Amino acid sequence: DAMVIQNPRYQVTQFGKPVTLSCSQTLNHNVMYWYQQKSSQAPKLLFHYYDKDFNNEADTPDNFQSRRPNTSFCFLDIRSPGLGDAAMYLCATSKNSPDKTQYFGPGTRLLVL
Amino acid sequence: KQEVTQIPAALSVPEGENLVLNCSFTDSAIYNLQWFRQDPGKGLTSLLLIQSSQREQTSGRLNASLDKSSGRSTLYIAASQPGDSATYLCAVNTNAGKSTFGDGTTLTVKP
Repeated sequence: DAMVIQNPRYQVTQFGKPVTLSCSQTLNHNVMYWYQQKSSQAPKLLFHYYDKDFNNEADTPDNFQSRRPNTSFCFLDIRSPGLGDAAMYLCATSKNSPDKTQYFGPGTRLLVL
Repeated sequence: KQEVTQIPAALSVPEGENLVLNCSFTDSAIYNLQWFRQDPGKGLTSLLLIQSSQREQTSGRLNASLDKSSGRSTLYIAASQPGDSATYLCAVNTNAGKSTFGDGTTLTVKP
């Protein structure tokens, strides 16, 4: 089945230790998104890619970076995680047009000790 | 800046009731609006997507409406079941790919 896959499902890291979350898709969608969702809050868009064109949200901290080496994979790098970065990180994909329905992965829950 | 509000924040109903969840947004220049379901600790499952030119979409017991001029969308759930218990999120999307989510409505359907 075509899907969006996120690994790992749970990630524990130490304060200040770099961590990378991964997302892959078999939908062949050209748009990929990364969201941060804290408990009982709305998902917050961090950035998205149109193919290789990177679009950063204005309020996304510099601590968050992303890489998309090819259509199928996208990575979220947190350079120096703080306690406030503990959250669920959601990856999504969509076609560029006309539908733009977003398909989400199961998420990676990050815990910062 | 787009703001999306969902009311109520939580809703508890007995099984079998029909119910309506509300979503309002401040900027009517949207490309589409999408309703999602999220179970605790899980990702988001797309329920319905309404393009800006559409008034409603239906899928099974779900019906979503869109009134772009007034900045409102509703999600109607018919004959609710305990398995419908989840958080329901609406997301407003621009043509540029920016999505703004509401905080969600947490629904509990009691047997």
